[in-house]
Amino acid sequence: GENVEQHPSTLSVQEGDSAVIKCTYSDSASNYFPWYKQELGKRPQLIIDIRSNVGEKKDQRIAVTLNKTAKHFSLHITETQPEDSAVYFCAASIRAGNQFYFGTGTSLTVIP
Amino acid sequence: GAVVSQHPSRVICKSGTSVKIECRSLDFQATTMFWYRQFPKQSLMLMATSNEGSKATYEQGVEKDKFLINHASLTLSTLTVTSAHPEDSSFYICSTGGGETQYFGPGTRLLVL
Repeated sequence: GENVEQHPSTLSVQEGDSAVIKCTYSDSASNYFPWYKQELGKRPQLIIDIRSNVGEKKDQRIAVTLNKTAKHFSLHITETQPEDSAVYFCAASIRAGNQFYFGTGTSLTVIP
Repeated sequence: GAVVSQHPSRVICKSGTSVKIECRSLDFQATTMFWYRQFPKQSLMLMATSNEGSKATYEQGVEKDKFLINHASLTLSTLTVTSAHPEDSSFYICSTGGGETQYFGPGTRLLVL
């Protein structure tokens, strides 16, 4: 099955700085890569996603890049704010409507 | 997006009892639902895929006789933790969706004493 690895496990940045979280996957058949933000005790919320036919996608302060050859994708958050503090999970899916395999999570703390 | 609810949101039970968790798709006909388990400070681990009108598909290492899944309608899937033990204490989350996007339920926190 798919194996998704995520680094770092914890990340602290000063408010206004950028944060980068990286994930790798093992199954070259995976073609959909969402990123989720989860606050303590709450459900994961989709923040951005990318498909395998796209190399980069941006939505305001959030961007995701994908390198299919190397099988890795990254989340970039610019101009971080305290409310960005949460746990972020990457995931990979082999096909539409299929189950997700999640990374191990990154606990992001933005220091005011 | 789809609205997914779970019930109960929190349950405390004694060791050896069974607990049923419901996952409802409120505005979407869900032929497939997924059940995840999340231990404190850990990732979401896929437990099983629930298929409407047929048997669930379980991930390796998940006991199908302990975690009973029933998906009798397009809007409801249930997960029953049978003979629960303290090590089953966890956050259980379901998800469903159309196309690629998955929508998660609010989760059920189970504490087994």
